[in-house]
Amino acid sequence: SQKIEQNSEALNIQEGKTATLTCNYTNYSPAYLQWYRQDPGRGPVFLLLIRENEKEKRKERLKVTFDTTLKQSLFHITASQPADSATYLCALASYSSASKIIFGSGTRLSIRP
Amino acid sequence: GAVVSQHPSWVICKSGTSVKIECRSLDFQATTMFWYRQFPKQSLMLMATSNEGSKATYEQGVEKDKFLINHASLTLSTLTVTSAHPEDSSFYICSARDRDRGGDEQYFGPGTRLTVT
Repeated sequence: SQKIEQNSEALNIQEGKTATLTCNYTNYSPAYLQWYRQDPGRGPVFLLLIRENEKEKRKERLKVTFDTTLKQSLFHITASQPADSATYLCALASYSSASKIIFGSGTRLSIRP
Repeated sequence: GAVVSQHPSWVICKSGTSVKIECRSLDFQATTMFWYRQFPKQSLMLMATSNEGSKATYEQGVEKDKFLINHASLTLSTLTVTSAHPEDSSFYICSARDRDRGGDEQYFGPGTRLTVT
């Protein structure tokens, strides 16, 4: 069956370090992959989208990589700040149903001062 | 730009009653809107895809007669939870695609917390 896994339920790192979150998937042919941020009691906020023919995308302190051989995406936040503390969700859209996205379970990131 | 609102932000209702949740795209037109449900400490589960002027497409396991979806205009979709039960208590979130941008991004609403007593 199709599965999206975000390996760490929670990640706690020191301010200023780079946070790296992992998203693995099985039995998908992804058209693209997205990363979202969700704060408690709020809806997700779109961060980055990377397509299956792209290896890497950057936006300010954020970087996403996409390895379709490993079936994995890595999400990096450099120079992390306490304000980056939130739950981060990866989401996939497959070629068979590119109009809808399926979410992973999320990683709760805490940045300590 | 690309703001999605939901109303109400929270609602408490008695078991057996129906509740309507509105999802609006405020500054863009959305031919497609999506409804998700999220239980505590879990991810978003897609319930249905709503296309303007046509019937919604429900995901497997979601009862279409219990979760009525109406997408009457390019800026409004509603979800009605009929005959609500305590197990329907959840966080309901909608999202929308910007028709004119034509991209794959989805813009999410702030969510509606439903509590059924």
